[in-house]
Amino acid sequence: DTAVSQTPKYLVTQMGNDKSIKCEQNLGHDTMYWYKQDSKKFLKIMFSYNNKELIINETVPNRFSPKSPDKAHLNLHINSLELGDSAVYFCASSQDKVTYEQYFGPGTRLTVT
Amino acid sequence: ILNVEQSPQSLHVQEGDSTNFTCSFPSSNFYALHWYRWETAKSPEALFVMTLNGDEKKKGRISATLNTKEGYSYLYIKGSQPEDSATYLCASNFGNEKLTFGTGTRLTIIP
Repeated sequence: DTAVSQTPKYLVTQMGNDKSIKCEQNLGHDTMYWYKQDSKKFLKIMFSYNNKELIINETVPNRFSPKSPDKAHLNLHINSLELGDSAVYFCASSQDKVTYEQYFGPGTRLTVT
Repeated sequence: ILNVEQSPQSLHVQEGDSTNFTCSFPSSNFYALHWYRWETAKSPEALFVMTLNGDEKKKGRISATLNTKEGYSYLYIKGSQPEDSATYLCASNFGNEKLTFGTGTRLTIIP
């Protein structure tokens, strides 16, 4: 009964490839997020969707494109992968409309070679 | 720019000792302060979410306080145990869906 799940857990790919990471939540939450854990281990928000609508779009290269087919899913597609894209990507969801307490997925470790 | 800052960056504590660390945030437009516990190779898990000035929350040996007027929160751990070793993240949101995270305090408990 995993609350927020991500696939794959590990992804190793070559520069220039296009890849997707999938996220699903079974909590019935309206809002979903993608975060990147950078090389200094900081957690940086990339995108957020509320009920399939994009509401947060931080300064992220346009090679990154989120897609939300329904409010339980938020996928992250990355085109033309670069070495600097190597990181751990976390999906999260929230429901509380005041605090936006985050429920995180297990993370996807992306390695670009 | 709304910055959330944490100190210290890292901390080594002897097993059995108590410890605390700080999160500071802009007090204007404040909505909520979050503490997350993040173990290595796992995902962050919420410890506390506080909204009101003077809030104090407790979960076992861990407690947190909130001062929204001066813009700080303390996290306390009483009688540290090896399983408390983790990075403790605080985050704040300022009236929208975006949480601004601090850089974390990395706590290591020495047996």
